[in-house]
Amino acid sequence: DAGVIQSPRHEVTEMGQEVTLRCKPISGHNSLFWYRQTMMRGLELLIYFNNNVPIDDSGMPEDRFSAKMPNASFSTLKIQPSEPRDSAVYFCASSPPAGGPETQYFGPGTRLLVL
Amino acid sequence: AQKVTQAQTEISVVEKEDVTLDCVYETRDTTYYLFWYKQPPSGELVFLIRRNSFDEQNEISGRYSWNFQKSTSSFNFTITASQVVDSAVYFCALTPSSNDYKLSFGAGTTVTVRA
Repeated sequence: DAGVIQSPRHEVTEMGQEVTLRCKPISGHNSLFWYRQTMMRGLELLIYFNNNVPIDDSGMPEDRFSAKMPNASFSTLKIQPSEPRDSAVYFCASSPPAGGPETQYFGPGTRLLVL
Repeated sequence: AQKVTQAQTEISVVEKEDVTLDCVYETRDTTYYLFWYKQPPSGELVFLIRRNSFDEQNEISGRYSWNFQKSTSSFNFTITASQVVDSAVYFCALTPSSNDYKLSFGAGTTVTVRA
Protein backbone atom coordinates (compact mmCIF):
# COMPACT_ATOMS: atom_id res chain seq x y z
CA ASP A 1 0.00 0.00 0.00
CA ALA A 2 1.27 3.46 -0.79
CA GLY A 3 2.04 5.66 2.16
CA VAL A 4 1.71 9.42 2.33
CA ILE A 5 3.22 10.94 -0.80
CA GLN A 6 4.88 14.32 -0.78
CA SER A 7 6.38 16.34 -3.59
CA PRO A 8 8.84 17.71 -4.24
CA ARG A 9 11.29 15.93 -1.96
CA HIS A 10 13.74 18.80 -2.16
CA GLU A 11 13.18 22.42 -3.08
CA VAL A 12 15.70 25.22 -3.34
CA THR A 13 14.36 28.67 -4.03
CA GLU A 14 15.28 32.29 -3.66
CA MET A 15 13.83 34.65 -1.11
CA GLY A 16 10.63 36.21 -2.33
CA GLN A 17 9.59 33.33 -4.54
CA GLU A 18 6.40 31.36 -4.11
CA VAL A 19 6.77 27.78 -2.90
CA THR A 20 4.08 25.10 -3.16
CA LEU A 21 4.39 21.81 -1.34
CA ARG A 22 2.08 18.93 -2.21
CA CYS A 23 0.69 15.99 -0.28
CA LYS A 24 -1.38 12.94 -1.10
CA PRO A 25 -2.67 11.23 2.06
CA ILE A 26 -3.17 7.52 2.46
CA SER A 27 -6.38 6.41 0.78
CA GLY A 28 -9.24 6.20 3.26
CA HIS A 29 -7.64 8.56 5.76
CA ASN A 30 -9.80 11.56 6.55
CA SER A 31 -7.40 13.63 8.66
CA LEU A 32 -4.40 15.44 7.25
CA PHE A 33 -1.68 17.34 9.03
CA TRP A 34 1.16 19.63 7.96
CA TYR A 35 4.21 19.82 10.23
CA ARG A 36 7.43 21.77 10.09
CA GLN A 37 10.71 20.49 11.53
CA THR A 38 13.60 22.77 12.39
CA MET A 39 16.61 22.36 14.63
CA MET A 40 15.50 25.24 16.81
CA ARG A 41 11.84 24.37 17.27
CA GLY A 42 11.64 20.66 16.58
CA LEU A 43 8.42 19.30 15.08
CA GLU A 44 5.54 21.76 15.03
CA LEU A 45 1.99 21.25 13.84
CA LEU A 46 1.08 23.91 11.29
CA ILE A 47 -2.46 22.95 10.31
CA TYR A 48 -4.94 20.11 10.68
CA PHE A 49 -7.70 19.18 8.23
CA ASN A 50 -10.56 16.82 8.94
CA ASN A 51 -12.76 15.71 6.04
CA ASN A 52 -11.07 18.38 3.88
CA VAL A 53 -12.01 21.17 6.29
CA PRO A 54 -9.32 23.13 8.17
CA ILE A 55 -9.96 22.55 11.86
CA ASP A 56 -6.93 24.12 13.48
CA ASP A 57 -4.53 26.49 11.75
CA SER A 58 -3.19 28.09 14.91
CA GLY A 59 0.28 26.79 14.12
CA MET A 60 0.55 28.56 10.78
CA PRO A 61 3.36 31.06 11.32
CA GLU A 62 1.92 34.06 9.49
CA ASP A 63 -0.11 35.19 6.53
CA ARG A 64 2.60 34.16 4.12
CA PHE A 65 1.59 30.55 4.77
CA SER A 66 -1.62 29.08 3.40
CA ALA A 67 -2.91 25.53 3.07
CA LYS A 68 -5.72 24.00 1.08
CA MET A 69 -7.34 20.63 0.76
CA PRO A 70 -9.60 20.70 -2.30
CA ASN A 71 -10.43 17.00 -2.03
CA ALA A 72 -9.76 13.94 0.08
CA SER A 73 -6.66 12.94 -1.85
CA PHE A 74 -4.74 16.17 -2.19
CA SER A 75 -3.44 19.06 -0.11
CA THR A 76 -1.07 21.94 -0.69
CA LEU A 77 0.97 24.16 1.57
CA LYS A 78 1.97 27.44 -0.02
CA ILE A 79 4.49 30.00 1.14
CA GLN A 80 4.33 33.38 -0.57
CA PRO A 81 6.70 35.16 -0.41
CA SER A 82 9.27 32.76 0.98
CA GLU A 83 11.99 33.87 3.40
CA PRO A 84 15.26 32.22 4.49
CA ARG A 85 13.78 31.47 7.91
CA ASP A 86 11.22 29.22 6.24
CA SER A 87 14.00 26.76 5.46
CA ALA A 88 12.97 23.51 7.14
CA VAL A 89 11.65 20.05 6.48
CA TYR A 90 7.90 20.04 5.94
CA PHE A 91 6.05 16.85 6.70
CA CYS A 92 2.56 15.85 5.75
CA ALA A 93 0.80 13.18 7.82
CA SER A 94 -2.58 11.48 7.63
CA SER A 95 -4.68 9.38 9.96
CA PRO A 96 -7.77 7.21 9.50
CA PRO A 97 -11.25 7.97 10.80
CA ALA A 98 -11.81 6.80 14.34
CA GLY A 99 -13.65 7.62 17.50
CA GLY A 100 -10.51 8.82 19.22
CA PRO A 101 -6.88 9.69 18.58
CA GLU A 102 -5.44 7.70 15.79
CA THR A 103 -1.90 7.10 14.72
CA GLN A 104 -0.58 9.69 12.31
CA TYR A 105 1.43 8.30 9.40
CA PHE A 106 4.03 10.63 8.00
CA GLY A 107 5.23 11.22 4.49
CA PRO A 108 8.93 11.41 3.58
CA GLY A 109 9.02 15.18 3.95
CA THR A 110 10.00 18.07 1.69
CA ARG A 111 13.34 19.64 2.47
CA LEU A 112 13.02 23.35 1.68
CA LEU A 113 15.96 25.71 1.41
CA VAL A 114 15.27 29.40 0.85
CA LEU A 115 18.35 31.36 -0.17
CA ALA B 1 -0.78 21.94 28.10
CA GLN B 2 1.26 18.92 27.24
CA LYS B 3 4.99 18.53 27.45
CA VAL B 4 7.29 15.71 26.45
CA THR B 5 10.87 15.66 27.66
CA GLN B 6 13.61 13.54 26.21
CA ALA B 7 16.56 14.47 28.36
CA GLN B 8 19.10 12.48 26.37
CA THR B 9 20.21 14.44 23.33
CA GLU B 10 22.59 11.83 21.95
CA ILE B 11 23.49 8.25 22.77
CA SER B 12 26.36 6.37 21.18
CA VAL B 13 26.75 2.61 21.60
CA VAL B 14 28.66 -0.23 20.05
CA GLU B 15 26.72 -2.82 18.11
CA LYS B 16 25.03 -5.47 20.24
CA GLU B 17 24.79 -3.21 23.28
CA ASP B 18 21.37 -2.42 24.69
CA VAL B 19 20.22 1.17 24.67
CA THR B 20 17.37 2.73 26.64
CA LEU B 21 15.76 6.00 25.62
CA ASP B 22 14.01 7.99 28.32
CA CYS B 23 10.74 9.83 27.85
CA VAL B 24 8.94 11.81 30.54
CA TYR B 25 5.66 13.55 29.89
CA GLU B 26 3.31 16.05 31.48
CA THR B 27 -0.40 16.33 30.86
CA ARG B 28 -3.51 17.29 32.79
CA ASP B 29 -5.64 14.82 30.89
CA THR B 30 -6.49 11.53 32.58
CA THR B 31 -6.69 9.80 29.22
CA TYR B 32 -3.94 10.25 26.70
CA TYR B 33 -1.90 8.40 24.10
CA LEU B 34 1.83 7.98 23.82
CA PHE B 35 3.85 7.28 20.70
CA TRP B 36 7.37 6.56 19.59
CA TYR B 37 8.58 7.49 16.11
CA LYS B 38 11.90 6.75 14.44
CA GLN B 39 13.58 9.15 12.01
CA PRO B 40 16.44 7.39 10.17
CA PRO B 41 19.08 9.37 8.25
CA SER B 42 16.85 9.27 5.16
CA GLY B 43 14.54 11.67 7.01
CA GLU B 44 11.11 10.05 7.05
CA LEU B 45 9.23 9.60 10.33
CA VAL B 46 8.37 5.98 10.99
CA PHE B 47 5.67 5.06 13.49
CA LEU B 48 6.87 2.48 16.03
CA ILE B 49 4.27 2.17 18.76
CA ARG B 50 1.18 3.73 20.34
CA ARG B 51 0.03 3.17 23.93
CA ASN B 52 -3.14 4.23 25.75
CA SER B 53 -2.82 5.71 29.20
CA PHE B 54 -5.15 3.11 30.68
CA ASP B 55 -3.00 0.22 29.47
CA GLU B 56 0.20 0.00 31.46
CA GLN B 57 1.30 -3.34 30.13
CA ASN B 58 4.82 -3.32 28.83
CA GLU B 59 5.28 -4.37 25.25
CA ILE B 60 7.94 -6.22 23.34
CA SER B 61 8.28 -6.31 19.58
CA GLY B 62 11.36 -8.11 18.40
CA ARG B 63 14.37 -6.23 19.72
CA TYR B 64 12.21 -3.29 20.81
CA SER B 65 10.52 -3.03 24.17
CA TRP B 66 8.60 -0.29 25.90
CA ASN B 67 8.14 0.36 29.60
CA PHE B 68 5.16 2.54 30.49
CA GLN B 69 4.94 3.72 34.11
CA LYS B 70 2.09 6.06 34.85
CA SER B 71 3.31 6.65 38.41
CA THR B 72 6.46 8.33 37.12
CA SER B 73 4.93 9.65 33.87
CA SER B 74 7.50 7.81 31.85
CA PHE B 75 7.39 5.82 28.62
CA ASN B 76 10.87 4.47 28.05
CA PHE B 77 12.06 2.60 24.97
CA THR B 78 14.77 -0.06 24.92
CA ILE B 79 16.56 -1.47 21.90
CA THR B 80 18.14 -4.81 22.73
CA ALA B 81 21.26 -5.98 20.92
CA SER B 82 21.46 -2.79 18.88
CA GLN B 83 22.40 -2.85 15.22
CA VAL B 84 23.85 -0.21 12.92
CA VAL B 85 20.44 0.09 11.24
CA ASP B 86 19.02 1.32 14.54
CA SER B 87 20.98 4.55 14.13
CA ALA B 88 18.33 7.26 13.95
CA VAL B 89 16.63 10.02 15.86
CA TYR B 90 13.86 8.69 18.08
CA PHE B 91 10.93 10.87 19.08
CA CYS B 92 8.51 10.34 21.92
CA ALA B 93 5.12 12.04 21.48
CA LEU B 94 1.88 12.50 23.36
CA THR B 95 -1.66 13.39 22.42
CA PRO B 96 -4.43 13.97 24.94
CA SER B 97 -7.89 12.56 24.44
CA SER B 98 -9.35 16.03 24.89
CA ASN B 99 -7.50 17.37 21.87
CA ASP B 100 -6.72 14.21 20.11
CA TYR B 101 -4.98 15.46 17.03
CA LYS B 102 -2.40 17.57 18.82
CA LEU B 103 0.75 15.49 18.84
CA SER B 104 3.32 17.03 21.15
CA PHE B 105 6.79 15.78 20.30
CA GLY B 106 9.86 15.60 22.45
CA ALA B 107 13.09 17.06 21.13
CA GLY B 108 14.33 13.64 20.04
CA THR B 109 17.27 11.45 20.98
CA THR B 110 19.93 10.73 18.40
CA VAL B 111 21.13 7.14 18.62
CA THR B 112 24.36 6.20 16.92
CA VAL B 113 25.27 2.52 16.78
CA ARG B 114 28.89 1.88 15.84
CA ALA B 115 29.99 -1.34 14.22
